[in-house]
Amino acid sequence: KQEVTQIPAALSVPEGENLVLNCSFTDSAIYNLQWFRQDPGKGLTSLLLIQSSQREQTSGRLNASLDKSSGRSTLYIAASQPGDSATYLCAVETSYDKVIFGPGTSLSVIP
Amino acid sequence: DAGITQSPRHKVTETGTPVTLRCHQTENHRYMYWYRQDPGHGLRLIHYSYGVKDTDKGEVSDGYSVSRSKTEDFLLTLESATSSQTSVYFCAISEWRDPYNEQFFGPGTRLTVL
Repeated sequence: KQEVTQIPAALSVPEGENLVLNCSFTDSAIYNLQWFRQDPGKGLTSLLLIQSSQREQTSGRLNASLDKSSGRSTLYIAASQPGDSATYLCAVETSYDKVIFGPGTSLSVIP
Repeated sequence: DAGITQSPRHKVTETGTPVTLRCHQTENHRYMYWYRQDPGHGLRLIHYSYGVKDTDKGEVSDGYSVSRSKTEDFLLTLESATSSQTSVYFCAISEWRDPYNEQFFGPGTRLTVL
């Protein structure tokens, strides 16, 4: 059974710092991995999707990497800003349209 | 936002009452999903649909039923609500972006069962 974990559960950093969020999954047979952002009381916003054949994806200050063989993905946020404060979730698609979510990392960027 | 709306956005009900949540999408997506989100558990799939009248169970389907009589609407019903069903419920669609599917979420419904 696929399990997805995220470390750390919470993170607090000063503004301007570069940071890395981690996502691990137990079964490397995935179709893709998706990173989401969730603001308090809101729905999920898709940030990046990495296909199983890809190693990384970039969008602005965000860079996501994928290492299927080791069951890991990282989300790198450059030059963090207070507006980046949110919960970040990773999710893996394990079969056609079955998605398993991690518990999320709560990020706080301190001005 | 992939044109997904959920109603109601907030609901308080009593144990034992039936509750129906509605998800509406405007872009003719085939796949629709219902998740619940709870502290310590993340998002868990309740049911999903792969077309009109085609549905299947997810990880935590006990106590829930769904219906999809039109492409644009996916209904989640709690036949007899229990306090353990207090949660935030999210609807999602899956959009085909060749060669992969990407999920997009509605704003959520906060349900409290007293």
